Order: sequence, then structure tokens, then C-alpha cells
Amino acid sequence: AQSVTQLGSHVSVSEGALVLLRCNYSSSVPPYLFWYVQYPNQGLQLLLKYTSAATLVKGINGFEAEFKKSETSFHLTKPSAHMSDAAEYFCAVTGDFGNEKLTFGTGTRLTIIP
Amino acid sequence: GAGVSQSPRYKVAKRGQDVALRCDPISGHVSLFWYQQALGQGPEFLTYFQNEAQLDKSGLPSDRFFAERPEGSVSTLKIQRTQQEDSAVYLCASNWAGLNEQFFGPGTRLTVL
Repeated sequence: AQSVTQLGSHVSVSEGALVLLRCNYSSSVPPYLFWYVQYPNQGLQLLLKYTSAATLVKGINGFEAEFKKSETSFHLTKPSAHMSDAAEYFCAVTGDFGNEKLTFGTGTRLTIIP
Repeated sequence: GAGVSQSPRYKVAKRGQDVALRCDPISGHVSLFWYQQALGQGPEFLTYFQNEAQLDKSGLPSDRFFAERPEGSVSTLKIQRTQQEDSAVYLCASNWAGLNEQFFGPGTRLTVL
């Protein structure tokens, strides 16, 4: 069984400040981890994914995440927040070949303060 | 088309009505997934197809929910005798196969009155 926990349902940062969104996972098999972003009334867009290659993963829009097995974490960061980053962010895990369903966290709503 | 499309985008149903939600995956994608996203929550898995075979339907909440993908392309999620608790956004996703990125459609927002 797999699960993810996102700490903080709402995060607010000032424009230009560091963005840190937290995700911890639980998995009985080596996990594949994903961060998705969802803008209002839209589907989910992949930001980045970890697939057991490099532990530091770079994604779109300046986001990156680091896989830390010892901490079972996959936190999402961006050095400098932009107004356009305001959205809902979901961490997800999968790891079963043959049924690659995603298990999502409850999401973190990111607000950017001008 | 270039991406996953879903129709209708919005559906309002009276309690007890049957509804059908359509998903057109990206051409050539073998795997197709349906998820349910309640307000303020993350998406939750409903069912999974590989081509026309429904390999996992463990997430379907009741026998009122039924999904099909008869020709291995377009999929339909049907909900019979809708209830208020069925109100949610229903997301469809597809990919080639394996542990790769799933491409999501815009979703269908179902409101049951």
C-alpha cells in the first residue's frame, strides 16, 4: 500500500520568496513520485517526477524536488515565487508495475502575496 | 487531438438520474484511468484500463458506477441513480503504459441536486 501526506493545506509566500511545499510518502515498494499542479477549473499538469534516477529532480517553471529516502520525503521547492505560481499542488505516488494508479495527497493551495 | 478531452465539462443532474461521462485519451495511449476529485480533496482512483481490458475497478464506490472502453480508445464512465455524494470532478488520464507521466483531461464537474 502507498500513501502520501502533504503538510499544510494552505501556504502563503511573498512574491520573490522561497517556495517550500512538503510531501512525505509511505510505500512498500520503491516509489515513483510526482508533483502535479492544478489551476482553477483545469486538469492536472505534471511539474516533475522521480523515477529512481537522480535524487534531485528539476521540473517546469523553475520547480525542483529532492527525493530523500531516509526521510521518506519529496518536498517541492522554487527559489523565487512568481504570481503565476498561485495554484493547487498535489504530490502523488505509484510503484506497482501493471497498475500504475496514482495515490494523491490532499493538496496544498499556494497563495502568492504581492 | 493534442491532449485528453472530456465531455461534458459540466453536468447538472437531479438525484436519481443516470449520467454518462466521456473521455477521449491521447491517440495511441494504452492506459486510461478515471479519478474522482471531491471539493477540496486530492483525486482518488476509480478504475484503470489497459486497452479495452478493465484491469482494476477497486476504486469504484458502488455498483452504481460502471466504466467501459470497448475499443480501447474512448472511455465512458456511467453513474446510475445519482446521489448527492456523487457530486465531484471526474478526471480522466491516459499514458502509453508503465510508470510514466499520466496526462490529465480538464475534468467533468458533476453536480447532483
